[in-house]
Amino acid sequence: AQSVSQHNHHVILSEAASLELGCNYSYGGTVNLFWYVQYPGQHLQLLLKYFSGDPLVKGIKGFEAEFIKSKFSFNLRKPSVQWSDTAEYFCAVGGSYIPTFGRGTSLIVHP
Amino acid sequence: GAGVSQSPSNKVTEKGKDVELRCDPISGHTALYWYRQSLGQGLEFLIYFQGNSAPDKSGLPSDRFSAERTGGSVSTLTIQRTQQEDSAVYLCASSRGSRQGEYEQYFGPGTRLTVT
Repeated sequence: AQSVSQHNHHVILSEAASLELGCNYSYGGTVNLFWYVQYPGQHLQLLLKYFSGDPLVKGIKGFEAEFIKSKFSFNLRKPSVQWSDTAEYFCAVGGSYIPTFGRGTSLIVHP
Repeated sequence: GAGVSQSPSNKVTEKGKDVELRCDPISGHTALYWYRQSLGQGLEFLIYFQGNSAPDKSGLPSDRFSAERTGGSVSTLTIQRTQQEDSAVYLCASSRGSRQGEYEQYFGPGTRLTVT
């Protein structure tokens, strides 16, 4: 079975602060990893994904994530957040055909 | 092109009534998923359809929940004899395939169900 753990449920930052959201997964085989974002009043949408190759993945809006196999982690980072990054962030692992999602992290960025 | 659509966007129903939620996936997407999203609980998998294969119903919480997908396209999630604990946002997602979960999912806007 696969599982995902997101460590931070609520994060509050000021604009220009750096962001790192933790994500750890559990799965015995080859994994595909995703970060999805849900802006207020909008659909869940893909932020970035890792399948293979370079473990440092760059996504939209300046986000990046690093896959560290030895730590079973796929943390999301952004060097300088903006007010518009206020959203709910979900980490997901796809090892079997049904991706498993974490509980989500609510990020609030104060202007 | 058009994204995943769901209807209705909001549904308020009385306890004990049946409800039907509809999902229209992106054309050509063979995989379709239903999830339930409760506050602070993340996404709970309910059911998965892939092409003409038998659906994976392993996430359905009780036999009051059922779903079908007609013609490999539109899907309907039915909840019979609704209970207050069924109140949640029901999300539908589709993807090009599902091999080892490698395809990104495209989500609809969800149906917010409130059972009074």
